[in-house]
Formats: sequence, structure tokens, C-alpha cells
Amino acid sequence: KAGVTQTPRYLIKTRGQQVTLSCSPISGHRSVSWYQQTPGQGLQFLFEYFSETQRNKGNFPGRFSGRQFSNSRSEMNVSTLELGDSALYLCASSLVGSFEQYFGPGTRLTVT
Amino acid sequence: KNEVEQSPQNLTAQEGEFITINCSYSVGISALHWLQQHPGGGIVSLFMLSSGKKKHGRLIATINIQEKHSSLHITASHPRDSAVYICAALGDNYGQNFVFGPGTRLSVLP
Repeated sequence: KAGVTQTPRYLIKTRGQQVTLSCSPISGHRSVSWYQQTPGQGLQFLFEYFSETQRNKGNFPGRFSGRQFSNSRSEMNVSTLELGDSALYLCASSLVGSFEQYFGPGTRLTVT
Repeated sequence: KNEVEQSPQNLTAQEGEFITINCSYSVGISALHWLQQHPGGGIVSLFMLSSGKKKHGRLIATINIQEKHSSLHITASHPRDSAVYICAALGDNYGQNFVFGPGTRLSVLP
């Protein structure tokens, strides 16, 4: 069974631009969570989607948004990029009723 | 005070040594995840615990719910165990999201 895939793996953007990252969960997994990892703050929860609905949201500004499609694939969008948004963005999927998360390889975003 | 803390922050061991990494949390939890992150960023789930003890190969994870503490042990450590180990707590009131510890950076020298 294929693992969680994320595209693109690396991205360089300029301040003020927007970016969209994509995550395809493991087949059969309907829950997708997004995380941001920075050297200063470590791993932080962004949001979680299940059946195309956002179930939980972390403490991030409204510039960070996401969505989930009917095939469980998810995208996250960051608008008006700031230098501090440079980070590794990870998504993880899980089965209904399971707490165990399976992580993708991440997208490394650099904002210049 | 962070909700999830880990100790030590950094650990250097010689190949073959027994290693213990500790995780403590300040709220009631539904489950605790131990994760391994290698250079390059990929994260692998090692264990999901809600009580007791689990073993997988050379890795053992234990959790004491009353003391709000979990440990990850590595027996007969090997240089390929070098990675950052992160514990993540799923609290009773966190919904379906985890709060992560700061990680323990382990280096195992040959």
C-alpha cells in the first residue's frame, strides 16, 4: 500500500506570495492532519480534516487554510507569505477510529 | 510550562548502549505517540500507547498514566538509531490533534 505523499517536496516563494501544498493520504484513510515544523517552535498542529470538513484547527492566523476533497486528498494554502512561514509542512493520515498517524515526507517551504 | 516535555534534549551514546528517553505531560491524555525523525525530515510512527508497555524489536515504550510519564528505551543501540525522537500527546480535550514535545536528538557513535 502506498504511503502518504506530499507535493511538492521543496518550494521557494517570495514574501507576499501565496502557496498551495498537496497531500494524498494512504488509501482508505479519511482523516488528514497538517503540521508545521520550525527549528524554534518544533512541530505544531495546523488543522485536521475528515470527510471534507475541518474538525480541528490549531492556533494559526487565517492566512493558513485548507480543504479536503471527496477522495480524501487535502490541500493547504498559505496566503501573503511571511519569512516566518519558512518551515517543513507535514501531513499525516489516519484511519477512522484510530489515533495512529502516518506521516508524509513533508514539503520544505522557504520564503525569501 | 509546555504541556509536553522531553528529557534529555540531546543524547550521545556509544554503539551497544541502552538508551532511555523520557516524556512527561501535564494534562490527561487519550494516547501518546512516539515518533522518529531522521535528517531530511521524514517522520515514522514508532508506537501509539494508551497504557502499559509495547515492544517492537529493540524498542520498548512504556507509559504510566497516573504519573503522566512515558519512556522510550532502545536496547543495543546502533548508529542507524541516530535521529530525533518526539513524543506527542493526544489530550482528553485536544480533539483529534496532538501536542508535541520538543524532541530528543540522539547520536549513536560506532
